[in-house]
Amino acid sequence: EVRLAQSGAEMKKPGESLTISCQVFEDPFPNSWVGWVRQMPGKGLDWMGIINPLDSDVRYSPSFEGQVTISVDKSIKTAYLQWSRLQASDSAIYYCAKMQFWEFDSWGQGTLVTVS
Amino acid sequence: DILLTQSPATLSVSPGERATLSCRATQSVGSNLAWYQQKPGQAPRLLIYGALTRAPGIPARFSGSGSGTEFTLTISSLQSEDSAVYYCQLYNNWPLSITFGQGTRLEIK
Repeated sequence: EVRLAQSGAEMKKPGESLTISCQVFEDPFPNSWVGWVRQMPGKGLDWMGIINPLDSDVRYSPSFEGQVTISVDKSIKTAYLQWSRLQASDSAIYYCAKMQFWEFDSWGQGTLVTVS
Repeated sequence: DILLTQSPATLSVSPGERATLSCRATQSVGSNLAWYQQKPGQAPRLLIYGALTRAPGIPARFSGSGSGTEFTLTISSLQSEDSAVYYCQLYNNWPLSITFGQGTRLEIK
């Protein structure tokens, strides 16, 4: 069974940088795209982008392009989501999720990011 | 961009009854539509993909239908554990877009 393990909760100040991670275990299809999804407090799901672990091809949502950086280290099956300068509005839960075909079939537990 | 609209925003149904949730796209997405369930404090869980295929381990009381622009998630014989927010999600290949609906909150009376 595929498992995605995300890094722990973060508390940061505005203007600081941050990288959170998502490690994929037991994936029978190790080249599956991995995506990041934001959920702001009390709100719905916002797709941020997806990355192909095989060649690091990244596709960003237009809403997040230029705001975050998605990367991967395929040697340790870990995807990353990075901010160079956090804002208070980045406070949210961030989920990583593995794509099956066109949907996300396995999800991480979420990483709570608080910027204050 | 293709937008998704879910209705109703909130649905209150008694145990044992049927719930019907709707998801409408602003243009055709074929069958590239999925449904998720999210309970408080938990990550979303994939229920349906390809508009009508249940994900592994999902009970048969969950069913999906539709294609093009109109999609439905039906939950028959509701149980208390079905109380959650349900999201639809589309995938469009060109230009690439992955979009979630705004969610339907299902309450079990």
